[in-house]
Amino acid sequence: NAGVTQTPKFRVLKTGQSMTLLCAQDMNHEYMYWYRQDPGMGLRLIHYSVGEGTTAKGEVPDGYNVSRLKKQNFLLGLESAAPSQTSVYFCASSYSRLQGNQPQHFGDGTRLSIL
Amino acid sequence: GENVEQHPSTLSVQEGDSAVIKCTYSDSASNYFPWYKQELGKRPQLIIDIRSNVGEKKDQRIAVTLNKTAKHFSLHITETQPEDSAVYFCAAKVGNTGKLIFGQGTTLQVKP
Repeated sequence: NAGVTQTPKFRVLKTGQSMTLLCAQDMNHEYMYWYRQDPGMGLRLIHYSVGEGTTAKGEVPDGYNVSRLKKQNFLLGLESAAPSQTSVYFCASSYSRLQGNQPQHFGDGTRLSIL
Repeated sequence: GENVEQHPSTLSVQEGDSAVIKCTYSDSASNYFPWYKQELGKRPQLIIDIRSNVGEKKDQRIAVTLNKTAKHFSLHITETQPEDSAVYFCAAKVGNTGKLIFGQGTTLQVKP
């Protein structure tokens, strides 16, 4: 039982390049989330998904796209990377509200630098 | 919009002393409040949570209190140890999709 796995762990991009971050969970969670973490700003929600085939915008969605084609996977895409997107990205997952209030479980993060 | 304010941003205590971190939230419908601990370079990990139907919850040296009227909740760590040094985040659930709004974090330093 690996929990929440993020790939890659580190990446350096040039401005304008594109990339996809992958999040996989093996806990059969319905809900999945992508956050970015910047110094002094806590964790800010980028996009989230309440089930396979669904996505929704969070607090800071601009410049990112997501897809949830399979229940266990949640992909975060940067179409044209900008230096302002340099950050640590965390994926999290949780059971749905049908199971009551449940904590989110986080992956180890992806450190992304945009030059 | 929804907001969670967390104070203080940094906290330094001597080993064995207590530490208190406070958060306020804006959404009166919030009913779930987790606390996460994040060590340097690691993932946030849940240390305790509280639901709105209780006012206090304890787990060994840590406790959380909730005042729904004031929209305020706090983390209390007693008998602090150097391994408690980390960044602590409070959060409040908003809506019915499990979304959490996080506070800005408190860096706790426990001096031996």
